[in-house]
Amino acid sequence: SAVISQKPSRDICQRGTSLTIQCQVDSQVTMMFWYRQQPGQSLTLIATANQGSEATYESGFVIDKFPISRPNLTFSTLTVSNMSPEDSSIYLCSVEEYRGFAFFGQGTRLTVV
Amino acid sequence: AQSVTQPDIHITVSEGASLELRCNYSYGATPYLFWYVQSPGQGLQLLLKYFSGDTLVQGIKGFEAEFKRSQSSFNLRKPSVHWSDAAEYFCAVGTGGGADGLTFGKGTHLIIQP
Repeated sequence: SAVISQKPSRDICQRGTSLTIQCQVDSQVTMMFWYRQQPGQSLTLIATANQGSEATYESGFVIDKFPISRPNLTFSTLTVSNMSPEDSSIYLCSVEEYRGFAFFGQGTRLTVV
Repeated sequence: AQSVTQPDIHITVSEGASLELRCNYSYGATPYLFWYVQSPGQGLQLLLKYFSGDTLVQGIKGFEAEFKRSQSSFNLRKPSVHWSDAAEYFCAVGTGGGADGLTFGKGTHLIIQP
């Protein structure tokens, strides 16, 4: 099973600033996924990151707000741009193995003040 | 598009009692179904998964789930809960293609009474 490391594990940021979250996987994977979990809510898929191409964003999420990089098969970053308190959430990186079996990182708990 | 409904937001169970958490899904093809658990401040841990075959699947920590196609359900069960089972439980559905991500239910918060 894949082991996923996310950095930072938590952060408190000022509104209007940006935060870049890193996700490192211990094996090569084709697709990486970024999810958001707002306080007390379920997980919502933000985007799918495929190495060598632009990320595919779900409805309600845009590249200008959540730019994603995928420079190689083991690493991805998600940036939360121009943050507001509404962006306070847990952001999780995920990879899917055979038959959609998904593994998750520990998440990044973001608080915007 | 697929969807998942977890009708119970909170469930309270006495320690040692049996547990059933409900999950209903909507998906046009054969679903790939999952149950995850999230303890406070922790990431998501996979409890069990269903792809095909035997409709009763066994997972970790003594959990099991039964897939019922006729009812579009994938309920999670445990015969005797422990205080450490208190957590948030998420049911999820995937297409199995490895490229679409998962769709999660809103979660059920499990409270264990001593």
